[in-house]
Amino acid sequence: QSVLTQPPSVSAAPGQQVTISCSGSSSNIGNNYVSWYQQLPGTAPKLLIYENNKRPSGIPDRFSGSKSGTSATLGITGLQTGDEADYYCGTWDDSLSAGVFGGGTKLTVL
Amino acid sequence: QLQLQESGPGLVKPSEALSLTCTVSGGSTSSRSYCWGWIRQPPGKGLEWIGCIYYRGGTYYDPSLKSRVTISVDTSNNQFSLKLSSVTAADTAVYFCARWVGGYENLDYWGQGTLVTVSS
Repeated sequence: QSVLTQPPSVSAAPGQQVTISCSGSSSNIGNNYVSWYQQLPGTAPKLLIYENNKRPSGIPDRFSGSKSGTSATLGITGLQTGDEADYYCGTWDDSLSAGVFGGGTKLTVL
Repeated sequence: QLQLQESGPGLVKPSEALSLTCTVSGGSTSSRSYCWGWIRQPPGKGLEWIGCIYYRGGTYYDPSLKSRVTISVDTSNNQFSLKLSSVTAADTAVYFCARWVGGYENLDYWGQGTLVTVSS
């Protein structure tokens, strides 16, 4: 059971947009930055969003992040088949003194 | 460009210790702002944060693994290591090393991962 809660799967058609939620508590999301990771099949995770809403160099602006209270959201617009991947949210938990992840969300681009 | 590479045995017997090393290139494990970490992913499952170490020795471990985990850093060889004792089949996973940006709570660079199977 993951500390952060994500929907197991989401799907949408090419060109459409999708959002993935990440729910936590005051000891993690509520008091720390949230990051998002994209894991393509058979590869290592890649940092997609950091500090709630910032994109590393090379990440297209189709990807966006936001945070409100104890929840965070990843948004993807203009979906492409290459976006099919597992997406994970992550942050620090002050009570555990450890990093924590969501259970992951599988994105299917129909 | 920072690169991380995991190395170690791919097969470990139950009750023995799992040991992995991560070699860092293009950067220094002596950097003050970074916590050098380990994450694992059991087959078909999600990411699990194991722990990380700052070069001055401060360590943070997931509470569920804390009694079995030791992470150490060797700045002279620009490496850091993971030791997990008393392994069982539940410890079978792909193990990733990564750089945790302390204070900003993200893992900005990852190794490619190495599969460790626990089996007799």
